[in-house]
Amino acid sequence: DQQVKQNSPSLSVQEGRISILNCDYTNSMFDYFLWYKKYPAEGPTFLISISSIKDKNEDGRFTVFLNKSAKHLSLHIVPSQPGDSAVYFCAASARHGGTSYGKLTFGQGTILTVHP
Amino acid sequence: DTGVSQDPRHKITKRGQNVTFRCDPISEHNRLYWYRQTLGQGPEFLTYFQNEAQLEKSRLLSDRFSAERPKGSFSTLEIQRTEQGDSAMYLCASNIGDRGKETQYFGPGTRLLVL
Repeated sequence: DQQVKQNSPSLSVQEGRISILNCDYTNSMFDYFLWYKKYPAEGPTFLISISSIKDKNEDGRFTVFLNKSAKHLSLHIVPSQPGDSAVYFCAASARHGGTSYGKLTFGQGTILTVHP
Repeated sequence: DTGVSQDPRHKITKRGQNVTFRCDPISEHNRLYWYRQTLGQGPEFLTYFQNEAQLEKSRLLSDRFSAERPKGSFSTLEIQRTEQGDSAMYLCASNIGDRGKETQYFGPGTRLLVL
């Protein structure tokens, strides 16, 4: 049962344009969401997060949007740069034992390629 | 802040052998997580600790897998009688776990190849 889905395996974008990566989830208990970037042979690097009390969070070129009713989130990268080329994972978490958050559930990832 | 470290970075073993991986979390982080990632998939949760207590284990964690965090600092993940299906990247992450500090920070991973 894939509780977090990234339906686009890959995305190709021109340098300077916007990259939009999408993620859907099914578990209504998820209320904290994160995006990670991963290069080959390295661990995931944290990019940005959002809790369910917000619908938008920005950090520099990165913005995450959350639509709770649709159980959908997206990551916008503006402007895209060749160095952004990597695999992007969305992840979700629910409170464990009603208090703090525990494990992350990841999507399958989207390979972003930004062309010069 | 030196980040999460993992050792070894690569391990090649023969089917049936035992392997052990080590993870050193960020020093002030009391929570430590293990994940496994296979090609084309996102990381899958295996288990996590708060200090030395193992709080949750995934169904994926068969009885051949055991994890420990004896003093609440570093952790080890042991796989006994390895199988070819155990070939994967094993990732460790840590965080503080308090409100506002939930972000998990990952180490570089240990890539296991079982021949």
